[in-house]
Amino acid sequence: ETGVTQTPRHLVMGMTNKKSLKCEQHLGHNAMYWYKQSAKKPLELMFVYSLEERVENNSVPSRFSPECPNSSHLFLHLHTLQPEDSALYLCASSQVAGTATANTGELFFGEGSRLTVL
Amino acid sequence: AQKVTQAQTEISVVEKEDVTLDCVYETRDTTYYLFWYKQPPSGELVFLIRRNSFDEQNEISGRYSWNFQKSTSSFNFTITASQVVDSAVYFCALARGNLIFGKGTKLSVKP
Repeated sequence: ETGVTQTPRHLVMGMTNKKSLKCEQHLGHNAMYWYKQSAKKPLELMFVYSLEERVENNSVPSRFSPECPNSSHLFLHLHTLQPEDSALYLCASSQVAGTATANTGELFFGEGSRLTVL
Repeated sequence: AQKVTQAQTEISVVEKEDVTLDCVYETRDTTYYLFWYKQPPSGELVFLIRRNSFDEQNEISGRYSWNFQKSTSSFNFTITASQVVDSAVYFCALARGNLIFGKGTKLSVKP
């Protein structure tokens, strides 16, 4: 069982819908991340939260709205998405933000939420 | 600018063959970290190894080995005697803070 759980695993939504992706980590980590994985593209870092504060926003369109109510939970609220937003959205956690400075430098990933925008 | 290039998009081998996945990186930093992750069909990325820029010793872990060469800015990954369970997408990544991933290499190991 993974220490990072993402729900839903699959989501199909229309361009006018509003939905949310949820991530929960059971590892006692202080940093959480959203990544976007599109076909034939590198993983794109979207947001980084450290101790529930957003520390990085990589020029992500405002139709993606993250929320981190506590260090164990991370949400990605979606509204008025475009078909090109269809992708696998991966959540990850680490002991501290900036994996190179962490003890192991390891990110723990969830299994992802496969989003299809019609 | 920091960049990771995995030139091999897809590789297909037959079980028990050795296979090497290439990774070339670009950075102007003198202190950085390199990683390999495995993404099986289930989706989650699984950490395999982390290497810092000051440690060029090659590492072996079972059937996996890594060759880090700063002179060529490469961090290649070799699987010896490949198995079907090794089939996955493998990502190389560079970090001096957050991770920058390559596009990944899809490895298919056929029985």
